[in-house]
Amino acid sequence: DIQMTQSPSSLSASVGDRVTITCQASQDISNFLNWYQKKPGKAPKLLIYDASDLETGVPSRFSGSGSGTDFTFTISSLQPEDFATYYCQQYANLPYTFGQGTNLDIK
Amino acid sequence: EVQLVESGGGLVQPGGSLRLSCAASGFTVRRHYMSWVRQAPGKGLEWVSVIYSGGSTYYADSVKDRLTISRDNSNNTVYLEMNSLRPEDTAVYYCARGGTIIPGGFDIWGQGTMVTVSS
Repeated sequence: DIQMTQSPSSLSASVGDRVTITCQASQDISNFLNWYQKKPGKAPKLLIYDASDLETGVPSRFSGSGSGTDFTFTISSLQPEDFATYYCQQYANLPYTFGQGTNLDIK
Repeated sequence: EVQLVESGGGLVQPGGSLRLSCAASGFTVRRHYMSWVRQAPGKGLEWVSVIYSGGSTYYADSVKDRLTISRDNSNNTVYLEMNSLRPEDTAVYYCARGGTIIPGGFDIWGQGTMVTVSS
């Protein structure tokens, strides 16, 4: 199975900050990498697909980059509604696997 | 409106069974990769199973031979038959829509249904 390692596991930041989360795959997954936002009691929300493509309706402050084994997710200017847990997920090989999540909270 | 609505969760004893349903509207499930994803209390997201548009099915090792994904094209619904349930299967179960040609991202999710396995 492909292991997805996210870093950091938790992060404290302030409104207006630039935030970056990394995700490393245990083997080459090309660009078959998605990013999700998860809030308590809500379903996950797709933000970025295929490593760098912004899902329709998602604000442009969210972005993604990378290919192969190393990926980055960035929020350019944190808004109050962005405090949540973020997950990367690969679909290059079955079983699809998620990173362990990055909990982003208010400093 | 494109949406997924899950049902069928509840409390079940270890070794018991449940069937989860995921009713789709606004799109046709047989044209998409359809998955189940779960989140145990206090834990992260875990992919469980997928059914391809062609009908092939795949499972996480943790649920293989106990959970079965299926699809009813006439009702536009995806199911997850759960047998030999264990306490570690306790989670919120979400169904999620993938792509049509490739799995892609899960762009549409249901609201989730809670499964609790406990005596």
